[in-house]
Amino acid sequence: QSVLTQPPSASGTPGQRVTISCSGSSSNIGSHTVNWYQHLPGTAPKLLIYSNSHRPSGVPDRLSGSKSGTSASLAISRLQSEDEADYYCVTWDDSLNGWAFGGGTKVTVL
Amino acid sequence: QVQLQESGPGLVKASETLSLTCTVSGDSMSSFYWSWIRQPPGKGLEWIGHIYYGVNTFYNPSLKSRATISADTSRNVFSLRVISLTAADTAVYYCARGIYDGQIDYWGQGRLVTVSS
Repeated sequence: QSVLTQPPSASGTPGQRVTISCSGSSSNIGSHTVNWYQHLPGTAPKLLIYSNSHRPSGVPDRLSGSKSGTSASLAISRLQSEDEADYYCVTWDDSLNGWAFGGGTKVTVL
Repeated sequence: QVQLQESGPGLVKASETLSLTCTVSGDSMSSFYWSWIRQPPGKGLEWIGHIYYGVNTFYNPSLKSRATISADTSRNVFSLRVISLTAADTAVYYCARGIYDGQIDYWGQGRLVTVSS
């Protein structure tokens, strides 16, 4: 059981917009910033969004993040086949005294 | 450019102890959170624990005190030790560098560890 709750799957056709939610509590998302990672099989996860809504250099502006209260979301616009991957939200949790991960969302491009 | 590389056995027996080492290049390890994260087959990522300033450690309670993280900053390495292994500890183990809010900027390639009975 993950501390942060994500839907297990999401899908869309090329060009569509997909949104992934991440739900937490006052001890994690409610008090700290949220980061999002993309994970492809056999590779290390890649940071996509940090501090709720900031993109590292090289991440396309098709990806955007937001946070409100104890929830956060990642939006992928103009969906492409290369976006097929697992996506995780991560933040600090005061109860854990460490990082809380979401359970991951598998994005499928139909 | 910061690089991390895990090393250690790929197969260990149940009830025994796993020891993994992460070698860090391009950073002195004087700051940041140096962490271990794992992914069991077919499951999501799980934070195991981290060490910062070379001595301060925190662990995920889910491991029930079986994990220990240590660092040798003079050699630029940090290590993970997990005792009393079970099949549930079979996973890809990653070492990583991050800051307190979960912003993890560098990861190792991952090391698959299988616990056999």
